[in-house]
Amino acid sequence: AQSVTQLDSQVPVFEEAPVELRCNYSSSVSVYLFWYVQYPNQGLQLLLKYLSGSTLVKGINGFEAEFNKSQTSFHLRKPSVHISDTAEYFCAVSDQTDKLIFGTGTRLQVFP
Amino acid sequence: NAGVTQTPKFQVLKTGQSMTLQCAQDMNHEYMSWYRQDPGMGLRLIHYSVGAGITDQGEVPNGYNVSRSTTEDFPLRLLSAAPSQTSVYFCASSLTVNYGYTFGSGTRLTVV
Repeated sequence: AQSVTQLDSQVPVFEEAPVELRCNYSSSVSVYLFWYVQYPNQGLQLLLKYLSGSTLVKGINGFEAEFNKSQTSFHLRKPSVHISDTAEYFCAVSDQTDKLIFGTGTRLQVFP
Repeated sequence: NAGVTQTPKFQVLKTGQSMTLQCAQDMNHEYMSWYRQDPGMGLRLIHYSVGAGITDQGEVPNGYNVSRSTTEDFPLRLLSAAPSQTSVYFCASSLTVNYGYTFGSGTRLTVV
């Protein structure tokens, strides 16, 4: 069965600094990978997804992620964060069994 | 388009009571899922459906029932509420598992 590990529960960073949110997955078959963002008191929004092809995926709001099959990772990055990026970020995986499984989330706190 | 609509937004139940959380989507999506979100545990899949008449269990199905009589609706039933079911519940829908889910705004349930 697929599973997702988000290694950092909280990531504090100053505005305009780069950030990386880490995600590792476990699956014995090919996977689809996703990053979602949740702003306070809202539902989740899709940031980006990897299905196949290029391992570098670009998403909304300047975020990008890189799929690394050998490391079973799908880390999320942004070169320069803004205060408005403060939110909780979730990595999710589907191993084509019709289920989408989420990690425990990483809270990104951007300080001025 | 309304997207994914969840009702009610807030609910307080007494232990042992039953209730139904409503979820409706107007995007003609085949895939629908219910998740619960608890602090530090991310989103956990309760039940999911890949089309009308087809449902299956997720990671934490105990205490919950679902049915999918139409493409649009996917209600979640709590048969006998317990304090452990206090959580925020999200419904989500998608064309396919790799398309990317659209989430509702959530139902905050408290069981006392």
